[in-house]
Amino acid sequence: GENVEQHPSTLSVQEGDSAVIKCTYSDSASNYFPWYKQELGKRPQLIIDIRSNVGEKKDQRIAVTLNKTAKHFSLHITETQPEDSAVYFCGPTDSWGKLQFGAGTQVVVTP
Amino acid sequence: SQTIHQWPATLVQPVGSPLSLECTVEGTSNPNLYWYRQAAGRGLQLLFYSVGIGQISSEVPQNLSASRPQDRQFILSSKKLLLSDSGFYLCAWSDTQGSPLHFGNGTRLTVT
Repeated sequence: GENVEQHPSTLSVQEGDSAVIKCTYSDSASNYFPWYKQELGKRPQLIIDIRSNVGEKKDQRIAVTLNKTAKHFSLHITETQPEDSAVYFCGPTDSWGKLQFGAGTQVVVTP
Repeated sequence: SQTIHQWPATLVQPVGSPLSLECTVEGTSNPNLYWYRQAAGRGLQLLFYSVGIGQISSEVPQNLSASRPQDRQFILSSKKLLLSDSGFYLCAWSDTQGSPLHFGNGTRLTVT
């Protein structure tokens, strides 16, 4: 099955700085790479995703980059704000098309 | 537009009691349906997924089971709960495999 690892497990950044989270996966058949944000006590929500035919995608302060050869993709958040504080999960699809999530990264943005 | 309903929001059950969590989706047909569990401060573990009525695949051996009696209804059950079954249970749907997941609000289960 898919082996998904996320780094770092916790990330503390100053407001206005950038944050980068990396997700590595093992299944070369994976072709869909989403990132989810989960605020405390709430459900995860999709913030950005990318498919295997695209190397980078950007949506305002959020971007995702994909390196399919190396089997990793990363979430980039620029100009971080306190409301970016949350747990972020990557969830590449396995060869059956199911999302298998990483362990999550706790991001804390300090004013 | 599509919506997903999950209930109850919170549940406290004694060890050895049965469990039934229900999830329904509106505004779409033949969705893929999923049950995930999240232990406190941990990641999302896929428990079951279904691509159609009566078609259930289990990801992790456990004392839980799932059923899909109708196209847009997904039920998570247990005959006898264990302490280790405590957690945050999330139902989700997607149009197809490998497309965005849409989560319900979750059920916080505490087994005492």
